[in-house]
Amino acid sequence: AQTVTQSQPEMSVQEAETVTLSCTYDTSESDYYLFWYKQPPSRQMILVIRQEAYKQQNATENRFSVNFQKAAKSFSLKISDSQLGDAAMYFCALTGTASKLTFGTGTRLQVTL
Amino acid sequence: EPEVTQTPSHQVTQMGQEVILRCVPISNHLYFYWYRQILGQKVEFLVSFYNNEISEKSEIFDDQFSVERPDGSNFTLKIRSTKLEDSAMYFCASRETSGRVETQYFGPGTRLLVL
Repeated sequence: AQTVTQSQPEMSVQEAETVTLSCTYDTSESDYYLFWYKQPPSRQMILVIRQEAYKQQNATENRFSVNFQKAAKSFSLKISDSQLGDAAMYFCALTGTASKLTFGTGTRLQVTL
Repeated sequence: EPEVTQTPSHQVTQMGQEVILRCVPISNHLYFYWYRQILGQKVEFLVSFYNNEISEKSEIFDDQFSVERPDGSNFTLKIRSTKLEDSAMYFCASRETSGRVETQYFGPGTRLLVL
């Protein structure tokens, strides 16, 4: 069975500052993929960033980057230069060969002025 | 940019009624999924579908649920006799098949309310 744990129900960051959202996971598979999805108040699920487990290099997408620690089964998301539009629920998710996504419980990010 | 679409965006129904939620996946995708999210909770997998058959389903996906790809473009989720606890946001997703990255792209969701 796969599990994803997000231990921070809520986080807050000031505009233009950097914030890191934590995620740990567990899987018995050797080939898997990790994702961060953003869910704004509209409740749409928007892909933020993805990481293939076989790649050692951390993924980066503009202001978003991950710290992937495979041995520790940790996959944190760093948001740099935070903007008001970054305020949302963020879900960490995992998929392996079975292809279904397993989600964490989410972290609600507030961005303050 | 291609996207997954879902209809209706909102549906209100009476307990015991049948509902059909519709999805149009991205056109060259071959793997389709339904997930649900009860308000305030995490997103849960319901079922995956490939090559016109269910490839995996969760314990939530009981005999009250069914999926179908009736015409090669639509992908539907039917709930035969809705219960109050079926009230949730239902997401359709389809999977990118090129390369190794197993990315699923989500539709905007259907908000189902069972009264």
